[in-house]
Amino acid sequence: AQSVTQLGSHVSVSEGALVLLRCNYSSSVPPYLFWYVQYPNQGLQLLLKYTSAATLVKGINGFEAEFKKSETSFHLTKPSAHMSDAAEYFCAVSDLGFQKLVFGTGTRLLVSP
Amino acid sequence: DTAVSQTPKYLVTQMGNDKSIKCEQNLGHDTMYWYKQDSKKFLKIMFSYNNKELIINETVPNRFSPKSPDKAHLNLHINSLELGDSAVYFCASSQDFQTGPSDTQYFGPGTRLTVL
Repeated sequence: AQSVTQLGSHVSVSEGALVLLRCNYSSSVPPYLFWYVQYPNQGLQLLLKYTSAATLVKGINGFEAEFKKSETSFHLTKPSAHMSDAAEYFCAVSDLGFQKLVFGTGTRLLVSP
Repeated sequence: DTAVSQTPKYLVTQMGNDKSIKCEQNLGHDTMYWYKQDSKKFLKIMFSYNNKELIINETVPNRFSPKSPDKAHLNLHINSLELGDSAVYFCASSQDFQTGPSDTQYFGPGTRLTVL
């Protein structure tokens, strides 16, 4: 079964600094991977998804992620953090059989001035 | 217009009560889901319906019963509520189960259920 692991339950950065949120996947076949963001007291919003078309995926709000098969990783990055990026970020993999999302445990991004 | 809406947003109730959460999507999608997010923010799928038919039923207690009157609605009824049911419940929808695993799921704002 597919699964994802997010390293670091909390990541703190200063405004303007690089954001790096880590996600490693486990899958016996090429996976479909997603990053979602959850702002406080809100639902989940799709940031970007990997569907094998390109290994570098650009998403909304300046985020991007690179699929690295050799490292089984799909880390999320943003060159310069903004205060409004403070939120919970979830990596997810789509179960190939039933189109259900299997989520990681989430990483809370804290951005300080 | 809200794409996926849920009511109520907050639900506080006593143990043993029965409650329902409603979900509606206006995206024209065929597939809808219920996810549970626990106090540690962990998200797990509960159910999935495609065009009113149940396609995913994870190991959820029988006290939870989803109902889909039409493909735009997926309601969640919970009987005999327990303390452990306290969580945030998210509804989601996607284009079509047949589209495949790359299909994007769109989430509602969530319903925070508190069982006292």
